Amino acid sequence: AQKVTQAQTEISVVEKEDVTLDCVYETRDTTYYLFWYKQPPSGELVFLIRRNSFDEQNEISGRYSWNFQKSTSSFNFTITASQVVDSAVYFCALSGPIWRTGGGNKLTFGTGTQLKVEL
Amino acid sequence: DADVTQTPRNRITKTGKRIMLECSQTKGHDRMYWYRQDPGLGLRLIYYSFDVKDINKGEISDGYSVSRQAQAKFSLSLESAIPNQTALYFCATSDLSEREGYNEQFFGPGTRLTVL
Repeated sequence: AQKVTQAQTEISVVEKEDVTLDCVYETRDTTYYLFWYKQPPSGELVFLIRRNSFDEQNEISGRYSWNFQKSTSSFNFTITASQVVDSAVYFCALSGPIWRTGGGNKLTFGTGTQLKVEL
Repeated sequence: DADVTQTPRNRITKTGKRIMLECSQTKGHDRMYWYRQDPGLGLRLIYYSFDVKDINKGEISDGYSVSRQAQAKFSLSLESAIPNQTALYFCATSDLSEREGYNEQFFGPGTRLTVL
């Protein structure tokens, strides 16, 4: 069974602060995929990143960075110099490989972290 | 035009009514999914379909049914809506061809359903 835990229900920061959103996962698959999605107040899901289990390189995209550590089963997301526009719910998700029986391509989502960035 | 569309975008209905939520895609994908989002619970899979003749239950299928009318269309029905089915519903699609062992899911804009 797969499980994704986002222990932080809500985080409030002041603009320009750095903030890290935690994600811990559980899976029996040796090949798996991790994701982060952003859900702004308008409600749509915005894909941010996908990381393969065999690629532990950290990634940076502008003010966003991701730290993938298989040893601790974590895939944390950091926003540097946060802005009001970053206010949203952020979801971490996990999927197995498509070749696994039982629909390996299904996404298992965490419960989300509500990020509020204030002026 | 959006690749994955959902209709209606918002719906308010009463307990006991039959409701159908529709999803259409122009991406040519074989796989389609229905998820439900509740506050504090994230998204949970209701049903998924790998092609027109292959429909599977997800983790929370009770009270729901689906129909895959064509490759491009996947409908979710609530035969007799109840208040705890009030939620945000997302449709998603993904390709069948294997690339790196995973195919990205593309989400529709969501349907906000309220059952009174």
